[in-house]
Amino acid sequence: SQQGEEDPQALSIQEGENATMNCSYKTSINNLQWYRQNSGRGLVHLILIRSNEREKHSGRLRVTLDTSKKSSSLLITASRAADTASYFCATIDTGANSKLTFGKGITLSVRP
Amino acid sequence: DAGVIQSPRHEVTEMGQEVTLRCKPISGHDYLFWYRQTMMRGLELLIYFNNNVPIDDSGMPEDRFSAKMPNASFSTLKIQPSEPRDSAVYFCASSLFGQGRSPLHFGNGTRLTVT
Repeated sequence: SQQGEEDPQALSIQEGENATMNCSYKTSINNLQWYRQNSGRGLVHLILIRSNEREKHSGRLRVTLDTSKKSSSLLITASRAADTASYFCATIDTGANSKLTFGKGITLSVRP
Repeated sequence: DAGVIQSPRHEVTEMGQEVTLRCKPISGHDYLFWYRQTMMRGLELLIYFNNNVPIDDSGMPEDRFSAKMPNASFSTLKIQPSEPRDSAVYFCASSLFGQGRSPLHFGNGTRLTVT
């Protein structure tokens, strides 16, 4: 069953603009992760944010987590054509036998 | 570090045939996962192993699917007999720790087409 749901489903922006993608989830989580998938390739881990963290940065990526709203956002600043990919959030809830579950992803297109 | 290696990259087979997908995880990773990705259902976890032992196979769709991990460096996912609805991209991933405590490292997948 899907835990995280990304929004929007698709996003098209111009190179140099910022891209903001959102993820909402339903249950209490231990952490939330964002992954990128280029066409025809496997998913690549971008960033992990724990439930007691509010914000994390990695290069041009900024992730926020609001556990009260059960939501996270991924911001890519100064986007490049190479950022064109699908982006997924994945969550793991606090249950004893919980598993990492992925949303259906956001398709980001960055126009040169 | 070669990453997670999957073979074959593409597999086309006829309904009823046996299909075997292969995976070599990253050395030292104790957890191995098999996922299936389709447009309709997204990424679904089929089964995962810890130290070569299957821990949770509740995502395996039917008895036609089976997975093994005979040693720390090799796993197979077998479908017998295959059906057209099994057409999907199958990913193997490995991680140091389970329960989402460390990132998953994915292979590039096997695109399976069953005609």
